[in-house]
Amino acid sequence: GQNIDQPTEMTATEGAIVQINCTYQTSGFNGLFWYQQHAGEAPTFLSYNVLDGLEEKGRFSSFLSRSKGYSYLLLKELQMKDSASYLCAVRGTYSGAGSYQLTFGKGTKLSVIP
Amino acid sequence: ETGVTQTPRHLVMGMTNKKSLKCEQHLGHNAMYWYKQSAKKPLELMFVYSLEERVENNSVPSRFSPECPNSSHLFLHLHTLQPEDSALYLCASSPTGQGAFEQYFGPGTRLTVT
Repeated sequence: GQNIDQPTEMTATEGAIVQINCTYQTSGFNGLFWYQQHAGEAPTFLSYNVLDGLEEKGRFSSFLSRSKGYSYLLLKELQMKDSASYLCAVRGTYSGAGSYQLTFGKGTKLSVIP
Repeated sequence: ETGVTQTPRHLVMGMTNKKSLKCEQHLGHNAMYWYKQSAKKPLELMFVYSLEERVENNSVPSRFSPECPNSSHLFLHLHTLQPEDSALYLCASSPTGQGAFEQYFGPGTRLTVT
């Protein structure tokens, strides 16, 4: 089966750093994605990890430990526009015809306050 | 500009109606997906089409019927829905293969079943 856990809500202050954790137990693993979703909008891609370690992309970084089934998304120099839901998604086993299934967590709603 | 469009953006229908949701992608991708997003629940994968072949169907009720006439278009036909089917329906597309290919989401159709 597939199980992905992340905190439901977090609050952080503008200019600060916040870490959003994600743990997963899945029957197959072919990479982990983080998406950002503003209220009423489509999810947009933030990062992808398939090997252990840290991937940095500007103010956003994502870390993966496959042995621990653990990832985190680190947001630095928080801005008000970073208030959104952050979705952790695991790409599982091969589904056929060149496709892989993505299983999503429930998302973490981040509120950035002045 | 996400390259994935969905129509209509909002839909209200009665339980005896028949309607269709449309998705179109302009990214040259070979895989398309339907997801359901309900409040407090993770994104749920409903259907996957890859290379115009349905490769995943997560036991979705038969009142939802997908159609993929070509790699750029995806439909979700709806009939005799229930109030619990009210949700945001998201379409996504991606390339096929094992690379770091994220899914690109459309803006969604907000469906209300009365």
